[in-house]
Amino acid sequence: AAGVIQSPRHLIKEKRETATLKCYPIPRHDTVYWYQQGPGQDPQFLISFYEKMQSDKGSIPDRFSAQQFSDYHSELNMSSLELGDSALYFCASSLSSESNTEAFFGQGTRLTVV
Amino acid sequence: DAKTTQPPSMDCAEGRAANLPCNHSTISGNEYVYWYRQIHSQGPQYIIHGLKNNETNEMASLIITEDRKSSTLILPHATLRDTAVYYCIVSALNYGQNFVFGPGTRLSVLP
Repeated sequence: AAGVIQSPRHLIKEKRETATLKCYPIPRHDTVYWYQQGPGQDPQFLISFYEKMQSDKGSIPDRFSAQQFSDYHSELNMSSLELGDSALYFCASSLSSESNTEAFFGQGTRLTVV
Repeated sequence: DAKTTQPPSMDCAEGRAANLPCNHSTISGNEYVYWYRQIHSQGPQYIIHGLKNNETNEMASLIITEDRKSSTLILPHATLRDTAVYYCIVSALNYGQNFVFGPGTRLSVLP
């Protein structure tokens, strides 16, 4: 079965650069969640989208922005990168039109800022 | 903020049942209890979820108390590959709302 696809899997950027992470949800899924996981930490919720509209917002820095496109894929844009942005970034998708549903996660993008 | 409380760590002998508790005393009527696990910084893996009835699938069983304020995830025959961090999440999971991870339980399955 198709899963959540994230790209790239690994990314190395320098401080003050910009990075774009992509997430392709499971077909038919209309909701996307983004998480950041630092070393030794639990996944921290950043932002979510339902039907291309921002749904909920967590601890996302102002330097970060995200959107969900008409084909339901999502992109997380990160500017003015800092060393502390080095982390795993996970995306999850779900089908919100069903009340009894699950969220499935991608394998993540490992961002290293040097 | 997470609405759940879990013990930070647990050990289990290989081949025995692993029982992982979770407290969620402020759960709302429309919120489900979800369990995920994360192995070696891989993406969190869905295990099971339920509303108020006990649930079972090929991976685990979920026991939810009648008042829904706590639950237990049961791995019936733990293997070394079940060593992971287990997360209990309560959420309605509707329209992108409120799917927040708490600290989780680090389960170590010992040979």
